Amino acid sequence: AQSVTQLDSHVSVSEGTPVLLRCNYSSSYSPSLFWYVQHPNKGLQLLLKYTSAATLVKGINGFEAEFKKSETSFHLTKPSAHMSDAAEYFCVVSLISGGGADGLTFGKGTHLIIQP
Amino acid sequence: NAGVTQTPKFQVLKTGQSMTLQCAQDMNHEYMSWYRQDPGMGLRLIHYSVGAGITDQGEVPNGYNVSRSTTEDFPLRLLSAAPSQTSVYFCASSYSKFREAFFGQGTRLTVV
Repeated sequence: AQSVTQLDSHVSVSEGTPVLLRCNYSSSYSPSLFWYVQHPNKGLQLLLKYTSAATLVKGINGFEAEFKKSETSFHLTKPSAHMSDAAEYFCVVSLISGGGADGLTFGKGTHLIIQP
Repeated sequence: NAGVTQTPKFQVLKTGQSMTLQCAQDMNHEYMSWYRQDPGMGLRLIHYSVGAGITDQGEVPNGYNVSRSTTEDFPLRLLSAAPSQTSVYFCASSYSKFREAFFGQGTRLTVV
């Protein structure tokens, strides 16, 4: 079975400061990992994905994430927060190979607040 | 450039009523799925389909029904609405259940 834990339900940062959203996963197989962003009253948009290539993954809007197998983590970072980054962020894990009923498993989300 | 289209965007139902949430995609994806989103719960899988004519249950299927007669369309039916089904519903499509999903804009459903 696979699972994903987002370690913070809310994160508040000041505009222009770094952002760190933490995600740990559990998977019996080599995982694919994704980060999605959801702005208020909108659908989910893919920010970035890891699929066993480079461990440092760059996404849209200046976000990046690093896959650390030894720590089973996939934390999302951005060097400088912008007001438009205020949204809900979801970490998602998926099996690369088949063999289980699990497809995408979503974390419960982290609400990012940007202070002016 | 439509992607995944859901209708309606908002709906209010009375307890016991039935309705169908529509979902269509134009990316020729074989895999389609329905999720519900509740505060603090993330997204939970209701039903999914790996191709036309093939559907299966997800984590929270009770009270919902689906069918897949074409690759493009994957409607979700609420058989007899209950207040516990008040939620935001998202349809998604992808190349497979293990690949990144593309989401519709959501349907906000309130059951009174």
